[in-house]
Amino acid sequence: EVSLVESGGDLVKAGGSLRLSCAASGFTFSNVWMNWVRQAPGKGLEWVGRIKTKFDGGTTDYAAPVKGRFTVSRDDSEKTLYLTMNSLKTEDTGLYYCATDFARGYFGDWGRGTLVTVSS
Amino acid sequence: EIVLTQSPATLSLSPGERATLSCRASQSVSSDIAWYQQKPGQAPRFLIYDASKRATGIPARFSGSGSGTDFTLTISSLEPEDFAVYYCQQRTNWPPLTFGGGTKVEVK
Repeated sequence: EVSLVESGGDLVKAGGSLRLSCAASGFTFSNVWMNWVRQAPGKGLEWVGRIKTKFDGGTTDYAAPVKGRFTVSRDDSEKTLYLTMNSLKTEDTGLYYCATDFARGYFGDWGRGTLVTVSS
Repeated sequence: EIVLTQSPATLSLSPGERATLSCRASQSVSSDIAWYQQKPGQAPRFLIYDASKRATGIPARFSGSGSGTDFTLTISSLEPEDFAVYYCQQRTNWPPLTFGGGTKVEVK
């Protein structure tokens, strides 16, 4: 059974940094593209970024609001996905989910999320 | 960026009734649409992909249709556990992957 467990969420001041982790199990992590999706309190879903498998080049893509500030990375030996967030803004506050890619662009399995709160 | 507009924002129905949710894209997305269900305090759940294919384990009362710019998620007969928020999402022209704003299906 697929399991995705996010961690690392915290209260941080604007301008600060944070690194989120997503521990994966129940599937061959190295073979799967991975995503981060966030949800501001009481709002809808917003895709944050994605990393391909090393086989597919390991490249990353980002949503415009986070490009240049956030970095998605992966450690296939540890079956862990990361999101490094720099220059945090109050509008980055929300629940951050990791999700597996399905069919090159959908989100198949989701973790329960980790909460990031950015204060001014 | 492709914008997805969902309607209505809220749908008030009773168990056993049929629910029809709409998702309209700002430009053609072919059939590259998925639907997700989210209950309070839970992660989203993958329901439908490629506009009409059910994900693994999804009951047959959930069906999707449409192509181009107009899509529909239908729940044929609402069960108590189906009251939730539903999101559509496109993968045609990305990055970015984009979601609609959601439709809340509530108990009337």
